[in-house]
Amino acid sequence: AQKVTQAQTEISVVEKEDVTLDCVYETRDTTYYLFWYKQPPSGELVFLIRRNSFDEQNEISGRYSWNFQKSTSSFNFTITASQVVDSAVYFCALINQTGANNLFFGTGTRLTVIP
Amino acid sequence: DTGVSQNPRHKITKRGQNVTFRCDPISEHNRLYWYRQTLGQGPEFLTYFQNEAQLEKSRLLSDRFSAERPKGSFSTLEIQRTEQGDSAMYLCASSRLLAGGPYEQYFGPGTRLTVT
Repeated sequence: AQKVTQAQTEISVVEKEDVTLDCVYETRDTTYYLFWYKQPPSGELVFLIRRNSFDEQNEISGRYSWNFQKSTSSFNFTITASQVVDSAVYFCALINQTGANNLFFGTGTRLTVIP
Repeated sequence: DTGVSQNPRHKITKRGQNVTFRCDPISEHNRLYWYRQTLGQGPEFLTYFQNEAQLEKSRLLSDRFSAERPKGSFSTLEIQRTEQGDSAMYLCASSRLLAGGPYEQYFGPGTRLTVT
């Protein structure tokens, strides 16, 4: 069985603040892949990052960074110096190596950046 | 590279009617997925194709739902005898199948279905 938990339902920050979105996952597979997607008000899911289970290196892309910790089954996402355009629902998701390779999504975190 | 496209973007139908949605994936992507998203939830897997073969269906896909991908290109999702509980956003995604995968899935804009 697999599960993705995003405990933060909604977060509000003031522009230029840093914010971290939490993601905790469960899976029985030893090989799996983790993802973050952004869903802005327009509704279209936008791919942000893919991480495989044997690569625990953290990644930074501009104002975005991701912290993968296998020991705590977490894959957290930090936005530095948040901007109003970052306002969206953010989904963490998991793909197992076995099976359909479909995405298992968390329930999402709605981020509102206040100008 | 054009992205994934879906038509129609919105569909309002009366309970009991049949509806069909279309998805055109990114051209070189051989995997195509259908998901359903209800308000306040993450997308849930319905079914997927590898080329023209439908390889897996979720328990969510009742026998009123059918999907096809003729010739491994575009796909259609049909819902027969719609019910109010079918109201949701139907999302299509496509991805490559290569060694080192599975790779990220790219999503279309979705079809929002409202059953009255």
